[in-house]
Amino acid sequence: EVQLVETGGGLVHPGGSLRISCAGSGFTFSSHWLTWVRQAPGKGLEWVANIKTDGSEKNYGDSVKGRFTISRDNAQSLVFLQMNDLRADDTAVYYCAREVGSSSYHFDYWGQGTPVTVSS
Amino acid sequence: DIQMTQSPSSLSASVGDRVTITCRASQSIGPFLNWYQQKPGKAPNLLIYATSSLQSGVPSRFSGSGFGTDFTLTINRLQPEDFATYYCQQSHSSQYTFGQGTKLEI
Repeated sequence: EVQLVETGGGLVHPGGSLRISCAGSGFTFSSHWLTWVRQAPGKGLEWVANIKTDGSEKNYGDSVKGRFTISRDNAQSLVFLQMNDLRADDTAVYYCAREVGSSSYHFDYWGQGTPVTVSS
Repeated sequence: DIQMTQSPSSLSASVGDRVTITCRASQSIGPFLNWYQQKPGKAPNLLIYATSSLQSGVPSRFSGSGFGTDFTLTINRLQPEDFATYYCQQSHSSQYTFGQGTKLEI
């Protein structure tokens, strides 16, 4: 069974940093792009970043570019999101998701999410 | 980046109804459009990918169509479990984007 489990969320002060993780199991982790999507309280979904199978290519949404860094450890089946210079509007539930598809890439499995709160 | 606009933002319907949700892209995205359903407190669930391909396990009352900039999600014979929020998502560009969501209410 494919599973994605996010950990590491919590409360952080504005300007602070936090690293969240996502552990994958039940599939060949190194064969899939992985994505982070967030959802602010009461708001819609926002794509944050993704990373290629071997970590050689990364893409970011405009709102996090330069502040967030995505990385992965295929040996441990983990993907990370390092979040720096956090702001109140980064408060959200952060989901990791598996990407599939040969052309129209889509997210077929999602984790349960980890909440991040940025507040003083 | 490519902007995705859904309409309506909210929709009221009854069990057994047929509903259509529209998603418009700010530029052509070909067929690279996906649809997700999300229920409160839960992660999103993939319904349709590549405009019209039904994800495994999704009931056939869900269907999608469109190309380029205009896309639709249609739900036939609404069931109680279909009342949720629906999002479109483009994967044409390397910066993916979601629509703002359509809340389907009873």
